[in-house]
Amino acid sequence: DAGITQSPRYKITETGRQVTLMCHQTWSHSYMFWYRQDLGHGLRLIYYSAAADITDKGEVPDGYVVSRSKTENFPLTLESATRSQTSVYFCATGTGSGWTEAFFGQGTRLTVV
Amino acid sequence: SQELEQSPQSLIVQEGKNLTINCTSSKTLYGLYWYKQKYGEGLIFLMMLQKGGEEKSHEKITAKLDEKKQQSSLHITASQPSHAGIYLCGADMARAGGTSYGKLTFGQGTILTVHP
Repeated sequence: DAGITQSPRYKITETGRQVTLMCHQTWSHSYMFWYRQDLGHGLRLIYYSAAADITDKGEVPDGYVVSRSKTENFPLTLESATRSQTSVYFCATGTGSGWTEAFFGQGTRLTVV
Repeated sequence: SQELEQSPQSLIVQEGKNLTINCTSSKTLYGLYWYKQKYGEGLIFLMMLQKGGEEKSHEKITAKLDEKKQQSSLHITASQPSHAGIYLCGADMARAGGTSYGKLTFGQGTILTVHP
């Protein structure tokens, strides 16, 4: 039971292509998040979701689309990939109850060429 | 500019030495989280501080949140090669009290190298 599973772990794609990064959780946590990690910027929030069918923008949402039809899945889609979207993407979950930490997946390293 | 500033950005120490990483906020902190990341891996939760003056320890790592709740420090005693990695502080900058649900703003990270 992995908790949070991200797939793929590594992806190379071409500029202009659509790419979807998958995130699956087995905990039934209410909240799910997508972050990107870039050198010098730490982690920045792209989108988050409070529950199924409820999503909201984070700090850097442009060029990304999310959906959450089921509690356990939170896919991130790059509609037309650009080189500036080359990054490591992390999915995370949160219980939304009390002061508890966010739980992170292993990350997806995306390279746009 | 970053809402959370970490210092130093990188740190190289000899095994056995003590070290401190700081995380400074432009606003009052309500829940400050410390994570560690090994290269190519996800983030591992270390500890969370909520109250001003609070101090928590886990093995050789101690974190404090200052009384004014705008700075946190992470101190490692007698460092080991296993401590090497990237240390990140994160905080829910929007929530003044109450609960945190994990929507975090992060510092830019501190890269720690420990030489045997």
